[in-house]
Amino acid sequence: QVQLVQSGAEVKKPGASVKVSCKASGYTFTSYYMHWVRQAPGQGLEWMGIINPSGGSTSYAQKFQGRVTMTRDTSTSTVYMELSSLRSEDTAVYYCARGPTFQHWGQGTLVTVSS
Amino acid sequence: DIQMTQSPSSLSASVGDRVTITCQASQDISNYLNWYQQKPGKAPKLLIYDASNLETGVPSRFSGSGSGTDFTFTISSLQPEDIATYYCQQYDNLPRTFGQGTKVEIK
Repeated sequence: QVQLVQSGAEVKKPGASVKVSCKASGYTFTSYYMHWVRQAPGQGLEWMGIINPSGGSTSYAQKFQGRVTMTRDTSTSTVYMELSSLRSEDTAVYYCARGPTFQHWGQGTLVTVSS
Repeated sequence: DIQMTQSPSSLSASVGDRVTITCQASQDISNYLNWYQQKPGKAPKLLIYDASNLETGVPSRFSGSGSGTDFTFTISSLQPEDIATYYCQQYDNLPRTFGQGTKVEIK
């Protein structure tokens, strides 16, 4: 069965970077785009960007341009989302979700940004 | 960007009631619309894809309709386990955009 397993919770200081991983299994990794979505405490869902695991091409939401980098490692079927210059407003649960219909989601990774 | 306007933001209904949520897109998205259910502390769960198709394993009391810019999500008979927040999402274009969510509570 399809599984997306994310890395564990992180606590970061303002200005730092965080890198969250999402390991895929149960399907052909390079056949489906992967999205990243975040959810701040008590808030709605916010799309961050998409990566094509086959060629590595990406597209990011304008809000995160310049701060987010999505990469993949086909040898381990893992995608990564790195967010830099963290601020308190980046405190959120970060999810990976398999495209195109977001049928499968990771369990979420809580990133807390606090001094 | 395509804006998704979802309403209401919250509702309270009795067990057995019919519940309806609407979602309006700022431009034509054909039928490229999903509906998700999210319970506290959990990842969203896909319920409806392509506006009206029920995801495998999802109870038939959930349904969706619409195309173009106007969409509706219905729970035909609200059950206690349906307490959650529901989101619409368009996948016609990037960036993918979500509605603001509708929190469903039991009266």
